[in-house]
Amino acid sequence: DQQVKQNSPSLSVQEGRISILNCDYTNSMFDYFLWYKKYPAEGPTFLISISSIKDKNEDGRFTVFLNKSAKHLSLHIVPSQPGDSAVYFCAASNSGYALNFGKGTSLLVTP
Amino acid sequence: NAGVTQTPKFQVLKTGQSMTLQCAQDMNHNSMYWYRQDPGMGLRLIYYSASEGTTDKGEVPNGYNVSRLNKREFSLRLESAAPSQTSVYFCASSDWSSYNEQFFGPGTRLTVL
Repeated sequence: DQQVKQNSPSLSVQEGRISILNCDYTNSMFDYFLWYKKYPAEGPTFLISISSIKDKNEDGRFTVFLNKSAKHLSLHIVPSQPGDSAVYFCAASNSGYALNFGKGTSLLVTP
Repeated sequence: NAGVTQTPKFQVLKTGQSMTLQCAQDMNHNSMYWYRQDPGMGLRLIYYSASEGTTDKGEVPNGYNVSRLNKREFSLRLESAAPSQTSVYFCASSDWSSYNEQFFGPGTRLTVL
Protein backbone atom coordinates (compact mmCIF):
# COMPACT_ATOMS: atom_id res chain seq x y z
CA ASP A 1 0.00 0.00 0.00
CA GLN A 2 1.40 3.36 -1.03
CA GLN A 3 2.28 5.30 2.12
CA VAL A 4 3.48 8.38 0.24
CA LYS A 5 1.19 9.75 -2.43
CA GLN A 6 1.75 12.35 -5.08
CA ASN A 7 -1.65 12.68 -6.68
CA SER A 8 -0.65 15.00 -9.51
CA PRO A 9 1.33 13.10 -12.16
CA SER A 10 2.18 16.32 -13.96
CA LEU A 11 2.23 20.08 -13.57
CA SER A 12 2.88 22.86 -16.07
CA VAL A 13 3.94 26.34 -14.92
CA GLN A 14 5.13 29.44 -16.70
CA GLU A 15 8.66 30.65 -16.14
CA GLY A 16 8.84 33.14 -13.27
CA ARG A 17 5.68 31.88 -11.58
CA ILE A 18 5.41 29.70 -8.49
CA SER A 19 5.40 25.90 -8.77
CA ILE A 20 3.65 24.03 -5.97
CA LEU A 21 4.11 20.28 -5.75
CA ASN A 22 2.06 18.37 -3.23
CA CYS A 23 2.57 15.17 -1.28
CA ASP A 24 0.40 13.29 1.21
CA TYR A 25 1.40 10.49 3.55
CA THR A 26 -0.49 7.97 5.62
CA ASN A 27 2.07 6.78 8.18
CA SER A 28 2.06 9.03 11.26
CA MET A 29 5.41 7.51 12.31
CA PHE A 30 7.25 9.26 9.47
CA ASP A 31 9.54 11.87 10.98
CA TYR A 32 11.69 13.02 8.10
CA PHE A 33 10.64 14.13 4.63
CA LEU A 34 12.66 14.78 1.52
CA TRP A 35 12.24 15.98 -2.03
CA TYR A 36 14.32 14.57 -4.84
CA LYS A 37 14.61 15.87 -8.38
CA LYS A 38 15.20 13.58 -11.33
CA TYR A 39 16.19 14.33 -14.91
CA PRO A 40 15.72 11.68 -17.63
CA ALA A 41 18.44 9.02 -17.72
CA GLU A 42 19.94 10.26 -14.44
CA GLY A 43 19.60 9.22 -10.84
CA PRO A 44 17.51 11.25 -8.38
CA THR A 45 19.25 14.21 -6.77
CA PHE A 46 18.51 15.33 -3.23
CA LEU A 47 16.84 18.74 -3.22
CA ILE A 48 15.57 19.69 0.24
CA SER A 49 14.36 18.03 3.42
CA ILE A 50 12.38 18.77 6.57
CA SER A 51 12.21 17.19 9.97
CA SER A 52 8.83 16.56 11.58
CA ILE A 53 9.68 19.03 14.35
CA LYS A 54 9.60 21.87 11.84
CA ASP A 55 6.86 23.21 9.62
CA LYS A 56 9.00 25.02 7.07
CA ASN A 57 12.44 24.76 5.55
CA GLU A 58 13.85 27.10 2.95
CA ASP A 59 16.81 26.82 0.61
CA GLY A 60 17.11 29.52 -2.00
CA ARG A 61 14.20 29.26 -4.41
CA PHE A 62 12.95 26.06 -2.77
CA THR A 63 10.73 25.91 0.31
CA VAL A 64 9.14 22.84 1.83
CA PHE A 65 6.10 23.15 4.09
CA LEU A 66 4.93 20.40 6.42
CA ASN A 67 1.43 20.14 7.89
CA LYS A 68 1.59 17.20 10.28
CA SER A 69 -2.05 17.31 11.28
CA ALA A 70 -3.07 16.98 7.65
CA LYS A 71 -0.20 14.60 6.85
CA HIS A 72 0.65 16.84 3.93
CA LEU A 73 3.76 18.49 2.61
CA SER A 74 4.39 20.74 -0.32
CA LEU A 75 7.36 22.01 -2.27
CA HIS A 76 7.30 25.60 -3.50
CA ILE A 77 9.65 26.76 -6.23
CA VAL A 78 9.81 30.52 -6.67
CA PRO A 79 10.51 31.76 -9.26
CA SER A 80 10.28 28.71 -11.52
CA GLN A 81 12.92 28.34 -14.22
CA PRO A 82 13.00 26.14 -17.34
CA GLY A 83 15.88 24.18 -15.79
CA ASP A 84 13.51 23.13 -13.01
CA SER A 85 11.65 20.92 -15.50
CA ALA A 86 12.10 17.42 -14.09
CA VAL A 87 10.32 14.73 -12.12
CA TYR A 88 10.05 15.51 -8.42
CA PHE A 89 9.78 12.70 -5.88
CA CYS A 90 8.56 13.11 -2.35
CA ALA A 91 10.05 10.65 0.16
CA ALA A 92 9.55 9.92 3.85
CA SER A 93 11.25 7.87 6.54
CA ASN A 94 10.61 6.87 10.15
CA SER A 95 14.11 7.14 11.59
CA GLY A 96 15.26 4.18 9.60
CA TYR A 97 17.33 3.66 6.51
CA ALA A 98 14.41 2.97 4.20
CA LEU A 99 12.95 5.83 2.22
CA ASN A 100 9.34 5.53 1.06
CA PHE A 101 8.91 7.30 -2.25
CA GLY A 102 5.86 8.72 -3.98
CA LYS A 103 5.30 8.06 -7.67
CA GLY A 104 6.59 11.48 -8.68
CA THR A 105 5.24 14.63 -10.30
CA SER A 106 6.57 15.72 -13.67
CA LEU A 107 7.07 19.49 -13.69
CA LEU A 108 7.29 21.40 -16.94
CA VAL A 109 8.32 25.05 -16.78
CA THR A 110 7.52 26.83 -20.02
CA PRO A 111 9.23 30.03 -21.19
CA ASN B 1 34.84 12.80 -7.14
CA ALA B 2 32.75 10.38 -9.22
CA GLY B 3 30.10 9.99 -6.51
CA VAL B 4 28.10 6.80 -7.07
CA THR B 5 28.92 4.78 -10.18
CA GLN B 6 26.97 1.83 -11.59
CA THR B 7 27.82 -0.74 -14.23
CA PRO B 8 26.49 -1.66 -16.67
CA LYS B 9 24.28 1.19 -17.89
CA PHE B 10 22.10 -1.12 -19.99
CA GLN B 11 21.59 -4.88 -20.04
CA VAL B 12 19.30 -7.30 -21.84
CA LEU B 13 18.88 -10.77 -20.39
CA LYS B 14 16.88 -13.82 -21.30
CA THR B 15 14.60 -15.39 -18.72
CA GLY B 16 16.62 -17.62 -16.41
CA GLN B 17 19.96 -15.93 -16.99
CA SER B 18 21.91 -14.49 -14.09
CA MET B 19 23.83 -11.28 -13.73
CA THR B 20 25.38 -8.96 -11.17
CA LEU B 21 24.89 -5.20 -11.07
CA GLN B 22 27.88 -3.38 -9.69
CA CYS B 23 27.87 -0.23 -7.59
CA ALA B 24 30.71 1.78 -6.08
CA GLN B 25 30.90 5.04 -4.17
CA ASP B 26 33.89 7.24 -3.40
CA MET B 27 32.33 9.46 -0.72
CA ASN B 28 33.38 7.24 2.20
CA HIS B 29 29.72 6.62 3.02
CA ASN B 30 28.82 3.89 5.45
CA SER B 31 25.39 2.95 4.07
CA MET B 32 24.45 1.75 0.60
CA TYR B 33 21.13 0.86 -1.03
CA TRP B 34 19.58 -0.77 -4.08
CA TYR B 35 16.27 0.50 -5.47
CA ARG B 36 14.21 -0.36 -8.49
CA GLN B 37 11.95 2.01 -10.38
CA ASP B 38 9.16 0.76 -12.59
CA PRO B 39 7.15 2.94 -15.03
CA GLY B 40 4.74 5.24 -13.19
CA MET B 41 6.07 4.11 -9.84
CA GLY B 42 8.30 5.59 -7.22
CA LEU B 43 11.53 3.95 -6.18
CA ARG B 44 11.21 0.81 -4.10
CA LEU B 45 13.96 -0.42 -1.80
CA ILE B 46 15.29 -3.89 -2.62
CA TYR B 47 18.12 -4.27 -0.11
CA TYR B 48 20.31 -2.01 1.92
CA SER B 49 23.55 -2.21 3.84
CA ALA B 50 23.70 0.05 6.88
CA SER B 51 27.40 -0.59 7.28
CA GLU B 52 30.15 -2.79 5.89
CA GLY B 53 29.40 -6.40 6.77
CA THR B 54 25.64 -6.00 7.17
CA THR B 55 22.76 -6.30 4.72
CA ASP B 56 19.01 -6.12 5.23
CA LYS B 57 15.93 -6.69 3.11
CA GLY B 58 13.88 -3.81 1.87
CA GLU B 59 10.38 -3.73 0.46
CA VAL B 60 10.92 -5.97 -2.60
CA PRO B 61 13.84 -8.40 -1.97
CA ASN B 62 12.49 -11.54 -3.63
CA GLY B 63 14.61 -12.76 -6.54
CA TYR B 64 17.66 -10.75 -5.54
CA ASN B 65 20.81 -11.20 -3.48
CA VAL B 66 23.35 -8.60 -2.43
CA SER B 67 26.95 -8.47 -1.34
CA ARG B 68 28.65 -5.63 0.49
CA LEU B 69 32.12 -6.36 -0.83
CA ASN B 70 33.82 -3.59 1.14
CA LYS B 71 32.94 -0.07 2.25
CA ARG B 72 32.97 1.21 -1.32
CA GLU B 73 31.15 -1.53 -3.21
CA PHE B 74 27.67 -3.04 -3.04
CA SER B 75 26.53 -5.49 -5.70
CA LEU B 76 23.08 -6.77 -6.61
CA ARG B 77 22.68 -10.25 -8.11
CA LEU B 78 19.81 -11.73 -10.06
CA GLU B 79 20.25 -15.51 -9.92
CA SER B 80 17.49 -16.40 -12.39
CA ALA B 81 16.10 -13.34 -14.13
CA ALA B 82 12.37 -13.03 -14.77
CA PRO B 83 10.46 -10.56 -17.00
CA SER B 84 9.00 -9.01 -13.81
CA GLN B 85 12.53 -7.85 -12.98
CA THR B 86 12.60 -5.58 -16.02
CA SER B 87 13.21 -2.21 -14.42
CA VAL B 88 15.67 0.60 -13.83
CA TYR B 89 17.94 -0.13 -10.89
CA PHE B 90 19.46 2.61 -8.80
CA CYS B 91 22.23 2.31 -6.27
CA ALA B 92 22.56 4.94 -3.54
CA SER B 93 24.77 5.73 -0.58
CA SER B 94 24.56 7.89 2.51
CA ASP B 95 26.54 8.95 5.53
CA TRP B 96 25.48 7.88 9.03
CA SER B 97 25.14 11.48 10.13
CA SER B 98 22.56 12.17 7.42
CA TYR B 99 21.40 8.74 6.40
CA ASN B 100 18.19 9.95 4.85
CA GLU B 101 20.00 12.16 2.34
CA GLN B 102 20.95 9.49 -0.11
CA PHE B 103 23.12 10.06 -3.15
CA PHE B 104 22.10 8.11 -6.22
CA GLY B 105 23.95 6.62 -9.14
CA PRO B 106 22.82 7.07 -12.78
CA GLY B 107 20.95 3.76 -12.90
CA THR B 108 21.07 0.49 -14.83
CA ARG B 109 18.27 -0.17 -17.30
CA LEU B 110 17.59 -3.91 -17.31
CA THR B 111 15.31 -5.72 -19.74
CA VAL B 112 14.48 -9.39 -19.23
CA LEU B 113 12.98 -11.10 -22.28
